[in-house]
Amino acid sequence: DGGITQSPKYLFRKEGQNVTLSCEQNLNHDAMYWYRQDPGQGLRLIYYSQIVNDFQKGDIAEGYSVSREKKESFPLTVTSAQKNPTAFYLCASSFGGQLSGANVLTFGAGSRLTVL
Amino acid sequence: KQEVTQIPAALSVPEGENLVLNCSFTDSAIYNLQWFRQDPGKGLTSLLLIQSSQREQTSGRLNASLDKSSGRSTLYIAASQPGDSATYLCAVRARNNDMRFGAGTRLTVKP
Repeated sequence: DGGITQSPKYLFRKEGQNVTLSCEQNLNHDAMYWYRQDPGQGLRLIYYSQIVNDFQKGDIAEGYSVSREKKESFPLTVTSAQKNPTAFYLCASSFGGQLSGANVLTFGAGSRLTVL
Repeated sequence: KQEVTQIPAALSVPEGENLVLNCSFTDSAIYNLQWFRQDPGKGLTSLLLIQSSQREQTSGRLNASLDKSSGRSTLYIAASQPGDSATYLCAVRARNNDMRFGAGTRLTVKP
């Protein structure tokens, strides 16, 4: 079945450590996105990528980094510079990028990061 | 900057009741509006997408309406079932393609 796979589902990090969240899709989608979800708030865009080897900052990119070396993969690294990283992270993809407003977003199941 | 608000934050109803979830947005110059469902600890599932030129969309027991001029959308759920219990989020895509999400309404349908 086609879909988006995020791993790990749960991740614990000590302060000062970098961690990488994986996002893989087999939907042949061009665009991929990373969102952060906090209790009582809407999803906030961290980074997005419309094509391979290109990505753009979203609203809250500070303390995060991404890469897009393959169409299927869009890993997110939460660096030690991110002051409040405990959150639920959601990866999404679509056929078009931000410029294709009609395209529906497909989401992964999410990764919950907790800083100890 | 577009702001999206969903009221109420939580709603509890008995099984079989018809209900309405509300979504309001501050900038009426939108491209489309999408309703999602999110189960606890899971990702979002798209329910309905309404283009700015449309007034409503229907899928099964779900009906979403859009009134751009007043900056409002409603999601109507008919004959609610316990399986409808989830958080429902709306997201607005602006003409500059920026997408903004509401915080969601957490729905509980009691058997």
